[in-house]
Formats: sequence, structure tokens, C-alpha cells
Amino acid sequence: GAVVSQHPSWVICKSGTSVKIECRSLDFQATTMFWYRQFPKQSLMLMATSNEGSKATYEQGVEKDKFLINHASLTLSTLTVTSAHPEDSSFYICSTGQGINEQYFGPGTRLTVT
Amino acid sequence: QKEVEQNSGPLSVPEGAIASLNCTYSDRVSQSFFWYRQYSGKSPELIMSIYSNGDKEDGRFTAQLNKASQYVSLLIRDSQPSDSATYLCAVIPGGTSYGKLTFGQGTILTVHP
Repeated sequence: GAVVSQHPSWVICKSGTSVKIECRSLDFQATTMFWYRQFPKQSLMLMATSNEGSKATYEQGVEKDKFLINHASLTLSTLTVTSAHPEDSSFYICSTGQGINEQYFGPGTRLTVT
Repeated sequence: QKEVEQNSGPLSVPEGAIASLNCTYSDRVSQSFFWYRQYSGKSPELIMSIYSNGDKEDGRFTAQLNKASQYVSLLIRDSQPSDSATYLCAVIPGGTSYGKLTFGQGTILTVHP
């Protein structure tokens, strides 16, 4: 399967600041990456689709001005949580895949906003 | 109606037994189905993918798909304590772009020695 990395693995930030999370595809070129969010004891919810060289597409209810996605190269997508608040504290996970449909997940980034 | 539904469990089985996990989905034209395993605090790990009706076996795991009944299941034979995790059923609904997964709420499996 695909090898996907994320950085940082965990981050603590103060309310009102911005945090950038990186997702890298290590063994193939990923034109599309997905960003998910998982709250405690809940399942994964898709936030947005990151497309290399074009704008991301966001799921209903996800604020695109708050969650900025940049997919500037075929191996890197970044998610920036702007003006973070405690309710943004969550486990953020990216995925990508080579082939028809199978998706492989990065190790995730745990964000805590104080 | 939720798009993908799973028995939330928890499901508890003794070591060596067969664990049976079930999932139903609402979009009749869905074509791609996946089972992921997620350990506490970790990201999901792909276990099985299945696209055609019938059974697909990989080691101790067997995925079963019945599109007419809109259900997909996962059997784990000879369950081990290391299989204790949350199992997520994921579907790519019809008409969506490839790789865009919709997840069920997950079933917590505990395998006790």
C-alpha cells in the first residue's frame, strides 16, 4: 500500500492562533488527497478533497476560510487551521491512494487548542 | 437514514473464535467497499477491499459482499487479542470521485484470552 506521512504528529496551540499540518505521499505522486477529522469516540468525517494544482473542494458544513488547504505539489498537501478554537481540537488524518479506489491513511495529527 | 451503518457493539469474543462484523449501506449504486482497523489513538489501517458479490479471503480475514441486500461483512477467524480494535466499514457511494470514503460509526471488537 501507499506510504503516507503527516507532520506534526501532535500539536498544542493557543486559541486564536493558526496551525499548519502537512501530509506527504512518500512513494508515489498523489494528484488527490483527502482530509478527515475524527472527534473522540466518533468515526472519520471527510472534510475536503485536496487537488494538486487546483482549489480544494469542501464537504458541506466545513468552512473553507477556516480550514485552508494547499496542494502545491504531487507529494504534499497542507491543512491550515486558522484562528483555532477549542472546538477544533480533534484528530486530523489525511489519505491518498494509488489505483482505483483504495485509500491509505497518514498516521494522523492530534490537535489540542487551549 | 445513515449512509453506512454498523453495529456499534462492543463485540466481545474469546480468543480463537470467529468474530463477525456487519455493515449495511444505503446507496444502491455503491461499487467499492472497504474494511479498516483502527487501534486506539492511531489512524485507520486498510484490511480488505471488496468490489464484487461473494467472498474474498485474505489470511484470517474474509469479506463478504451482497449488493442485492446492500450489506458487507467481515469475518475474523481464530481471533487474537491483537485483533482488539475498532473496525470501520467504508463505502464509496455511487457518483462520487474515486477514493472519497464514507465511513460507518465503527464496531469495537474485544478479543479476550
